[in-house]
Amino acid sequence: GENVEQHPSTLSVQEGDSAVIKCTYSDSASNYFPWYKQELGKRPQLIIDIRSNVGEKKDQRIAVTLNKTAKHFSLHITETQPEDSAVYFCAASGGSNYKLTFGKGTLLTVNP
Amino acid sequence: KAGVTQTPRYLIKTRGQQVTLSCSPISGHRSVSWYQQTPGQGLQFLFEYFSETQRNKGNFPGRFSGRQFSNSRSEMNVSTLELGDSALYLCASSLNMDMRGQYFGPGTRLTVT
Repeated sequence: GENVEQHPSTLSVQEGDSAVIKCTYSDSASNYFPWYKQELGKRPQLIIDIRSNVGEKKDQRIAVTLNKTAKHFSLHITETQPEDSAVYFCAASGGSNYKLTFGKGTLLTVNP
Repeated sequence: KAGVTQTPRYLIKTRGQQVTLSCSPISGHRSVSWYQQTPGQGLQFLFEYFSETQRNKGNFPGRFSGRQFSNSRSEMNVSTLELGDSALYLCASSLNMDMRGQYFGPGTRLTVT
């Protein structure tokens, strides 16, 4: 089955810096890659997603890139703000497996 | 449009008991997935339902079961509770069977004593 590895597990940046979180997946049939943000005590929130026919997608300060050949995708957050502090999860799905497989999460801390 | 709702929000049960959790998806969403979230294991997939059919099941023992009703609402049941079942149980719904645009409910915090 699908396996998603996520790195780093923790990331601390200064306000205004950029943050990058990377994920690799194992199943070449995967074709959908969402990212979720989970603040403490809250539900995971879908922040951006990308499909396998697209190499990059941007939404204001966040962007996701996908390299199908290498089977990895990344989340980029620019001009980080303290409210970006949260746990970020990557996930992958595709084919006929009818499920999202999640990475273990990255705790991002943005220091003012 | 109302989001995904889950009831109850908190539960305290004793080992050996059973529990039923409920999930109401976003109106019009037909796929419902369930996840177990623990600090050490992250988000673990339990099962997914679409049009009342279970299409996939994660690596959990048979004590974990679920179902989906014709209005897309879903329930999951855990029998013979163990201490290790203490976790946040999240359900998520998506419009179609392709799992895209999956939105989570607030979760049910289950504590087994």
